[in-house]
Amino acid sequence: EPEVTQTPSHQVTQMGQEVILRCVPISNHLYFYWYRQILGQKVEFLVSFYNNEISEKSEIFDDQFSVERPDGSNFTLKIRSTKLEDSAMYFCASSRTSGGKETQYFGPGTRLLVL
Amino acid sequence: AQTVTQSQPEMSVQEAETVTLSCTYDTSESDYYLFWYKQPPSRQMILVIRQEAYKQQNATENRFSVNFQKAAKSFSLKISDSQLGDAAMYFCAYRTSNTGNQFYFGTGTSLTVIP
Repeated sequence: EPEVTQTPSHQVTQMGQEVILRCVPISNHLYFYWYRQILGQKVEFLVSFYNNEISEKSEIFDDQFSVERPDGSNFTLKIRSTKLEDSAMYFCASSRTSGGKETQYFGPGTRLLVL
Repeated sequence: AQTVTQSQPEMSVQEAETVTLSCTYDTSESDYYLFWYKQPPSRQMILVIRQEAYKQQNATENRFSVNFQKAAKSFSLKISDSQLGDAAMYFCAYRTSNTGNQFYFGTGTSLTVIP
């Protein structure tokens, strides 16, 4: 069965550095998402992306974050200048359609540690 | 605002026994969807079961069933005949039909299955 993949599985970076988290969604999916989970807290929605533009974003997704689909397969999350509080597990997800009972398929996550 | 609460950070069950994971949510919407996701260690979240709020009948998927109490805003997951492979983090999630694609997650319940 097709799966969402994410790279790297772990990333350690210094505060202030830029990081790019990569995701390969399921090939026939049209909607893409990023979520994050700070240790011990809830999984939180960051952004959804459709037709090469952001369709929805949360308050967390401020100007330091950006998303891109640079080619036909990858979907990336860039954090421009990382802060200590950006340390979290970042999950990518994709779905064929949007809303309702449509499920989202999640990747295994990238654990980001900002020092 | 929509919130999802999982009050049991950890649960354990003997193999072949039954366990119930609790989830409550808060919403002013009348039309919404509820999901249980399972995340095995170092693997992606996968959908276990989902429930449409307009359906009175509780959803069932093999050994997994839910007890959906709309008035009480409760959505518990029952796992029957627990197997070692059921050991995972379980997340309850909510999505309205009106606010797009984002899921609202609980903090998760870590289930241990004792042989």
